[in-house]
Amino acid sequence: DAGVTQSPTHLIKTRGQQVTLRCSPISGHKSVSWYQQVLGQGPQFIFQYYEKEERGRGNFPDRFSARQFPNYSSELNVNALLLGDSALYLCASSRETGWGQPQHFGDGTRLSIL
Amino acid sequence: DQQVKQNSPSLSVQEGRISILNCDYTNSMFDYFLWYKKYPAEGPTFLISISSIKDKNEDGRFTVFLNKSAKHLSLHIVPSQPGDSAVYFCAASINNNDMRFGAGTRLTVKP
Repeated sequence: DAGVTQSPTHLIKTRGQQVTLRCSPISGHKSVSWYQQVLGQGPQFIFQYYEKEERGRGNFPDRFSARQFPNYSSELNVNALLLGDSALYLCASSRETGWGQPQHFGDGTRLSIL
Repeated sequence: DQQVKQNSPSLSVQEGRISILNCDYTNSMFDYFLWYKKYPAEGPTFLISISSIKDKNEDGRFTVFLNKSAKHLSLHIVPSQPGDSAVYFCAASINNNDMRFGAGTRLTVKP
């Protein structure tokens, strides 16, 4: 089975622009989470979606939004980009929520803001 | 606030010996703990997990120990192999939501 796929792999934007990142979970996985990883740190939780509903939100500004579609794929949107938004954005999926359901990660989208 | 901490940024071990990676957490509500391995240019790969009702979980060469009273988690790799060289992240969550990661420990296994 294919793993978690994310697109695009790399993206360059300028300050003030908007960006949409896409994620396809592992087949059969209903939960998708988004993380931001900056150099030298671990991933930071942004959102979790399950069955198209938001189940959790990390400490990120309202410029960050996400949604999950009926096929369980997901999009992360970031508006009014800042230089500090430059990071690796990771998507992870799990079959269900709840413990005992490890999240499996894609290889991420590298976003650079100029 | 950093609820999950990995205080050792790096660890170097000889091939065949044991690697011990440590992790401390502050939130006693965490009920699910995981270890991930990350190679450059790849996403984190799930290694092993443990729920808060257990104190040990084994999977082949990998064993995770949980000490709830000390709020401490460790990953043992025995025997260590050069292919284990990577960055290891400790993570913790409440009901598998809002997963918090440590900053990672870079493990180098020397031949």
